[in-house]
Amino acid sequence: GALVYQYPRRTICKSGTSMRMECQAVGFQATSVAWYRQSPQKTFELIALSTVNSAIKYEQNFTQEKFPISHPNLSFSSMTVLNAYLEDRGLYLCGAGGHTEVFFGKGTRLTVV
Amino acid sequence: GQQVQQSPASLVLQEGENAELQCNFSSTATQLQWFYQSPGGSLVSLLSNPSGTKHTGRLTSTTVTKERRSSLHISSSQTTDSGTYLCAIDFSGGNYKPTFGKGTSLVVHP
Repeated sequence: GALVYQYPRRTICKSGTSMRMECQAVGFQATSVAWYRQSPQKTFELIALSTVNSAIKYEQNFTQEKFPISHPNLSFSSMTVLNAYLEDRGLYLCGAGGHTEVFFGKGTRLTVV
Repeated sequence: GQQVQQSPASLVLQEGENAELQCNFSSTATQLQWFYQSPGGSLVSLLSNPSGTKHTGRLTSTTVTKERRSSLHISSSQTTDSGTYLCAIDFSGGNYKPTFGKGTSLVVHP
């Protein structure tokens, strides 16, 4: 079956530092990877959509300078949260898939102290 | 902007009762998925149903595209069904990047 692994599952970083999270697709080819953040208020925000061999499209309020993403092949993507602050805390979810269905990992929960 | 509205926001049931969750959306949906989010945060895809009716186990989803609505029916609820149910819709028709509703929080008591 199709599985998406995210790691780390939880991380704590000091305010102003950076952390990298990874997303691995197993059992299928992830032609696109969408990174989301679920805030403490439970709202899902789309950060960016990454498609292999195409430019990464960031949503409003999110930038490459703050959330650089790498998507080098059909099974792996990573995203870094640079210079993290309190407002960056939340659950970061990676959704990998194609045109009809998206499979999500269990997320990386970021705490900023 | 494109919006996804879910109702009710929360639902409390006794085990064995049925649940009916609603999802309404503002624009034409090219893809629609129902997800379950566990209390720990994990997202599980339940059904992909952009139109018509689909069944899996105790779940039935009916999407009426022209009316921009979808429902998820859970029959004979169990305590393990407790969690948040999310409706996610792709409006773009290109690479799938779903927009999520705020979810329905379901609690099933024994």
